[in-house]
Amino acid sequence: GAVVSQHPSWVICKSGTSVKIECRSLDFQATTMFWYRQFPKQSLMLMATSNEGSKATYEQGVEKDKFLINHASLTLSTLTVTSAHPEDSSFYICSALGSLLHFGNGTRLTVT
Amino acid sequence: AQSVSQHNHHVILSEAASLELGCNYSYGGTVNLFWYVQYPGQHLQLLLKYFSGDPLVKGIKGFEAEFIKSKFSFNLRKPSVQWSDTAEYFCAVNARDYKLSFGAGTTVTVRA
Repeated sequence: GAVVSQHPSWVICKSGTSVKIECRSLDFQATTMFWYRQFPKQSLMLMATSNEGSKATYEQGVEKDKFLINHASLTLSTLTVTSAHPEDSSFYICSALGSLLHFGNGTRLTVT
Repeated sequence: AQSVSQHNHHVILSEAASLELGCNYSYGGTVNLFWYVQYPGQHLQLLLKYFSGDPLVKGIKGFEAEFIKSKFSFNLRKPSVQWSDTAEYFCAVNARDYKLSFGAGTTVTVRA
């Protein structure tokens, strides 16, 4: 069964609003979680590395003020897309590092 | 930074046919190599991985991959596919930590 739970699985929001996506490791502690973004027919692109108790590390070109990441506990990381715009519409996937790297099911974000 | 290239975007084959998916990466140092599978509507799952040792790696569901260092390749193979192998396949590489670089993915369609 799934060891990483990602919620919601899909969300539709209006332009200008913010959306929070949760990533939970269900039966292990994850000091490190990763957030990826996947465009249609394209590969997963790493957005940021989320470290429990410290600031996230963002990849080049990713706006940290737009994609807020919080890793408040060893089992939860959240990604908040602030002031969402249609170009933020995408598939967001998290992964959590335990003994292996486990992926969540992803969140389909549509901004209208 | 490393990059990953998957040669085929979409592969269509019949049941019992053999499958080989190409993956090449560009990075001069030591790498860890992975193949992930994503079944329709499901999360990414690890098929197999190579860290060191025997370059011929056996994974789950009858898949195997061969690491050829001189060719910077890590091709995935399965001698006889089944309809249930219909999925998206991703090759991934990391040079440090678990910051994976993914290929664009190959859609495999197996016809009954």
